[in-house]
Amino acid sequence: EIVLTQSPGTLSLSPGERATLSCRASQSVSSSYLAWYQQKPGQAPGLLIYGASRRATGIPDRFSGSGSGTDFTLTISRLEPEDFAVYYCQQYGSSPWTFGQGTKVEIK
Amino acid sequence: EVQLLESGGDLVQPGGSLRLACAASGLTFSTYTLSWVRQAPGKGPEWVSGVSGSGGYTYYADSVKGRFTISRDNSKNTLYLQMNSLTVDDTAVYYCAKAGVYATGYFDLWGRGTLVTVSS
Repeated sequence: EIVLTQSPGTLSLSPGERATLSCRASQSVSSSYLAWYQQKPGQAPGLLIYGASRRATGIPDRFSGSGSGTDFTLTISRLEPEDFAVYYCQQYGSSPWTFGQGTKVEIK
Repeated sequence: EVQLLESGGDLVQPGGSLRLACAASGLTFSTYTLSWVRQAPGKGPEWVSGVSGSGGYTYYADSVKGRFTISRDNSKNTLYLQMNSLTVDDTAVYYCAKAGVYATGYFDLWGRGTLVTVSS
């Protein structure tokens, strides 16, 4: 199975700053089948990005995804107060679908 | 409104069984592959099982294969997960999740989840 490793574990930033989150796969993710989710306390994860770089419906353009092969990045261009949350990457190119362990973006 | 609503979570002893249900509304239910995804306390999500729109194809993570059975009733717009031989490692919030339009492996709609606790 493909293991996803996210870094850093925690990112401490201020509103308005840029956030860069990394997701590295143990083997190549076929067809860039990589998704990103945001999860807030007590809520289910919500889809942000699929296909490595395609924003889901209703997701603001400050969220962008990039990468291919084994290295993927989620960038939040300017953090809004509602963006402080935990972010997970997930690969769906090879069964079983697997998730990373998450990056927490916290207010500095 | 499009939504998924899970039910059936409970406290159960190791070795016990439980059946989860997920009721869907506001979508053409039989069109979509659906999955169960669980999340243990403080951990990342873990995909557990999936079923095709017709119910003809089912998929399982190795950790639950042979113990869990996924099924769906398209006439009732409901997804199920029968869980047998439960262990403490199965303790988690279980989410019902709908596959995206462009591929079956990412999830564009999630329910609120139902808590399964396995403990003596």
